[in-house]
Amino acid sequence: GQQLNQSPQSMFIQEGEDVSMNCTSSSIFNTWLWYKQDPGEGPVLLIALYKAGELTSNGRLTAQFGITRKDSFLNISASIPSDVGIYFCAGLLGRAAGNKLTFGGGTRVLVKP
Amino acid sequence: EAQVTQNPRYLITVTGKKLTVTCSQNMNHEYMSWYRQDPGLGLRQIYYSMNVEVTDKGDVPEGYKVSRKEKRNFPLILESPSPNQTSLYFCASSSGGAYNEQFFGPGTRLTVL
Repeated sequence: GQQLNQSPQSMFIQEGEDVSMNCTSSSIFNTWLWYKQDPGEGPVLLIALYKAGELTSNGRLTAQFGITRKDSFLNISASIPSDVGIYFCAGLLGRAAGNKLTFGGGTRVLVKP
Repeated sequence: EAQVTQNPRYLITVTGKKLTVTCSQNMNHEYMSWYRQDPGLGLRQIYYSMNVEVTDKGDVPEGYKVSRKEKRNFPLILESPSPNQTSLYFCASSSGGAYNEQFFGPGTRLTVL
């Protein structure tokens, strides 16, 4: 199946820092989604992107749908301790492809000791 | 409260003993899906269902069965579990429309000895 390469695999944050993560694919997607997963819970949708080039914000989160439709990035500004968790990108082709979500491997965000 | 529920949340079983993980949603969603989550691999789709009596294979369907007799329920069946099916399983549902936010259940952690 299709593969999404998400990087970095993990990162340490210090309160107040901006952080960035991205996802690339060998195939195009019609929709890019970013999810966050807290320990012991299922992923929760943060941002959805529906058009190539789209830049969308949700509070301190900003995500962009790449022009080529093969990549997306997520930025978190002024990070806070509750930003810790695993962030997943996901690509969606659409109903014709069964509304299948393809996930990246995740970026684990940790707090600097 | 709109939600996706899964049962059980934790299960330890032995090789070959048939088991069923239930999934139920109260949002009248057409689309439901099962994923497994393994370290470093993100979430991989096992099976999905576009509507009642309509199911199809995802990326990793081997060793699993599903059924969709009612709109709200989408059980995952392991006829003869094996240790390589030890994983964290998530059920998800969505309206299946263009704005396809998938809502995830809390997860079922399965260990097959």
